[in-house]
Amino acid sequence: RKEVEQDPGPFNVPEGATVAFNCTYSNSASQSFFWYRQDCRKEPKLLMSVYSSGNEDGRFTAQLNRASQYISLLIRDSKLSDSATYLCVVNDAGGTSYGKLTFGQGTILTVHP
Amino acid sequence: DTGVSQDPRHKITKRGQNVTFRCDPISEHNRLYWYRQTLGQGPEFLTYFQNEAQLEKSRLLSDRFSAERPKGSFSTLEIQRTEQGDSAMYLCASSGRQGSYNEQFFGPGTRLTVL
Repeated sequence: RKEVEQDPGPFNVPEGATVAFNCTYSNSASQSFFWYRQDCRKEPKLLMSVYSSGNEDGRFTAQLNRASQYISLLIRDSKLSDSATYLCVVNDAGGTSYGKLTFGQGTILTVHP
Repeated sequence: DTGVSQDPRHKITKRGQNVTFRCDPISEHNRLYWYRQTLGQGPEFLTYFQNEAQLEKSRLLSDRFSAERPKGSFSTLEIQRTEQGDSAMYLCASSGRQGSYNEQFFGPGTRLTVL
């Protein structure tokens, strides 16, 4: 079983749609959670951190369920510029892991006019 | 530009040759990470430095791979006797005193093609 699993998609949605991505992780000791965005042939960039209480940044909402080891990202009112690969990321900082990031394989989103 | 930089951006080599990549982290960042990303996959952790000390290595890092960070600033990743399976994007990231504890800032990567 992969440490971080995502539905690879691709998701093709029209502008203005709401789209949700899901992710599960296997290490119950994981401490920090993130969504990164990666544009084609570019480096990953932090989109947002994910907290147990849920957090929102404009059109983006992230949720964490530690009991189910489940992370989600909701994008409302999709824009053409949201087209990218969204990476679910877990940080196992603490113990001997030294903060390395474990990435899911990414979910491809294409927003079309 | 004060971000993470990597050199070269692209490298094409023949199987069996040695290659070396360089990463310059954000200044003042004491943590430096190397990752490898193949097509259709997320990045995979290779190794981690805190200052000049290499504190963790993935099992993905075979004995053909070696990384250094001699003065705790820039880092190099060398691959000896390259194989076609080494073809990938090699990403460097740094973190430290700037930003949140866990935020890693990535460089643009070095894309390696082994013929």
